[in-house]
Amino acid sequence: GESVGLHLPTLSVQEGDNSIINCAYSNSASDYFIWYKQESGKGPQFIIDIRSNMDKRQGQRVTVLLNKTVKHLSLQIAATQPGDSAVYFCAIQAGTYKYIFGTGTRLKVLA
Amino acid sequence: EPEVTQTPSHQVTQMGQEVILRCVPISNHLYFYWYRQILGQKVEFLVSFYNNEISEKSEIFDDQFSVERPDGSNFTLKIRSTKLEDSAMYFCASARAEAFFGQGTRLTVV
Repeated sequence: GESVGLHLPTLSVQEGDNSIINCAYSNSASDYFIWYKQESGKGPQFIIDIRSNMDKRQGQRVTVLLNKTVKHLSLQIAATQPGDSAVYFCAIQAGTYKYIFGTGTRLKVLA
Repeated sequence: EPEVTQTPSHQVTQMGQEVILRCVPISNHLYFYWYRQILGQKVEFLVSFYNNEISEKSEIFDDQFSVERPDGSNFTLKIRSTKLEDSAMYFCASARAEAFFGQGTRLTVV
């Protein structure tokens, strides 16, 4: 079956520093990847996505990098702020009708 | 900004009872999903719905579960004869391209 893993369960970062959250996936046929942010008691919130025909995509303060060779996805957050504290999930689209989520990384921003 | 809305936000039910979780997807979306998240764990796929029928379901989505889109706006998840282990956050999502999630219903089975 499909699996999506994350390298670290918790990441602590000083406010103002850059954060990098990593994700590995198993299915080389996956062609659509999404990062979600989940704050306590809330639903996953879309951050940024990337398709397999790209290796990098930038948003506001966030960048997603995709390395299809090693099946690795990362989310970079520039100048991390306290409001970035949350659990971050990568998700891959496994077929048209299904997204598989990773286990999540909790990002803690230290003042 | 359009959003997916879910009701109720919290549901407490006796073991063995039936519950219906309700969702109003974003209006021009075509794909609808239910996910669940047991406390502290990852978000797990339950079922997807497209063109008025189930398009895919996970092994979690057994005969105890059913989904329905009774009209043009609502999308419901019914859990028959709830068990203690059904306690979780249940998220509805809808998509046209990327999926947008509701705030969830916390189901507590006692």
